Amino acid sequence: DQQVKQNSPSLSVQEGRISILNCDYTNSMFDYFLWYKKYPAEGPTFLISISSIKDKNEDGRFTVFLNKSAKHLSLHIVPSQPGDSAVYFCAAHDFQKLVFGTGTRLLVSP
Amino acid sequence: GAGVSQSPRYKVAKRGQDVALRCDPISGHVSLFWYQQALGQGPEFLTYFQNEAQLDKSGLPSDRFFAERPEGSVSTLKIQRTQQEDSAVYLCASSADRVRTYEQYFGPGTRLTVT
Repeated sequence: DQQVKQNSPSLSVQEGRISILNCDYTNSMFDYFLWYKKYPAEGPTFLISISSIKDKNEDGRFTVFLNKSAKHLSLHIVPSQPGDSAVYFCAAHDFQKLVFGTGTRLLVSP
Repeated sequence: GAGVSQSPRYKVAKRGQDVALRCDPISGHVSLFWYQQALGQGPEFLTYFQNEAQLDKSGLPSDRFFAERPEGSVSTLKIQRTQQEDSAVYLCASSADRVRTYEQYFGPGTRLTVT
């Protein structure tokens, strides 16, 4: 059973608009949540994280929201840029390891 | 500074061959992780080292998979008698902390294709 789920395999957005990527989880013991960005033939690159005791974290154009009661987190990118086109993975910290979702492919068109 | 490096970047093996994948973590990072990423999936945990000690190997799919980090820096993931289902990208990650291991830095991965 998947503990971290990204139900949207892909998302298309126009440049300048908001991109919203969603993630659901089942294990309430996760203490940290992260978003990673991945380009083809490269390893995942850390983007932004949030502690389970917070509900929002912001870093420039990127904001992550955490709703613990719904076991849901989202990544907002405003404004979206063509260079943001990549696969985005949601991950949860489980003791030492990270548990990943299956990823959402974001395409930002000019 | 230098990031996590992995070699080889690509490996083609015939079914039944043994392979060895190398990971050079960021210098000074005490924690090292191996993940397996199948096509269209997210990375899945294989094993974890703190310095030279392998503290968690619960993700290794079979006893054909073996990992070591003898001097607490470079790590090798070995797969014996490779099978087609072993085809995947193998990612290595390192973390500076022993406890706050959510800050993981990934290498580019080794793409293994078993024919």
